[in-house]
Amino acid sequence: DAGVIQSPRHEVTEMGQEVTLRCKPISGHDYLFWYRQTMMRGLELLIYFNNNVPIDDSGMPEDRFSAKMPNASFSTLKIQPSEPRDSAVYFCASSLAGGELFFGEGSRLTVL
Amino acid sequence: GDSVTQMEGPVTLSEEAFLTINCTYTATGYPSLFWYVQYPGEGLQLLLKATKADDKGSNKGFEATYRKETTSFHLEKGSVQVSDSAVYFCALANFGNEKLTFGTGTRLTIIP
Repeated sequence: DAGVIQSPRHEVTEMGQEVTLRCKPISGHDYLFWYRQTMMRGLELLIYFNNNVPIDDSGMPEDRFSAKMPNASFSTLKIQPSEPRDSAVYFCASSLAGGELFFGEGSRLTVL
Repeated sequence: GDSVTQMEGPVTLSEEAFLTINCTYTATGYPSLFWYVQYPGEGLQLLLKATKADDKGSNKGFEATYRKETTSFHLEKGSVQVSDSAVYFCALANFGNEKLTFGTGTRLTIIP
């Protein structure tokens, strides 16, 4: 059974460019979470969805960040424009009815 | 609000040593407690959990006991292996809250 799938695994871009990260949750899971991991700040919850509806986006750092979940099998996290301080590993995770979280392998973003 | 405090790392041990990683929490009510593990280059995965006071979670030789009186959930293993080298995260979820609160993580390195 496929786990949470994220793409791209690695992204290197220049400051000011738009970045789009993608996530396919486990089929049947009704919660989807986006996390950011850095050495300085650890693991931060950015936003999460329930049944494709955003529930809490209080962790989204600023208006440059946006997330969508157009259907139950796909979500995107977009950064526009990107800045060097956005460099991090971005994880997507999904769960069923708020149970155990299953994480993807992450998207490592480097903004030059 | 809810919070998790875990032992600062990094922790370096020799193979077959005894491991303890401390975790304490602050939460209202009766949260569920978790340990997640992150191996190099991977996402987090659930190691063990406990849902009520005095419960002991165990997996792969690791154990943790939910101690309500000391608000703690310390992770232990009697004899560590090189393959246990990873980052360990303590986390809690309060009743009715599908969002996990994570600690900052503890990096563990086991030397042969």
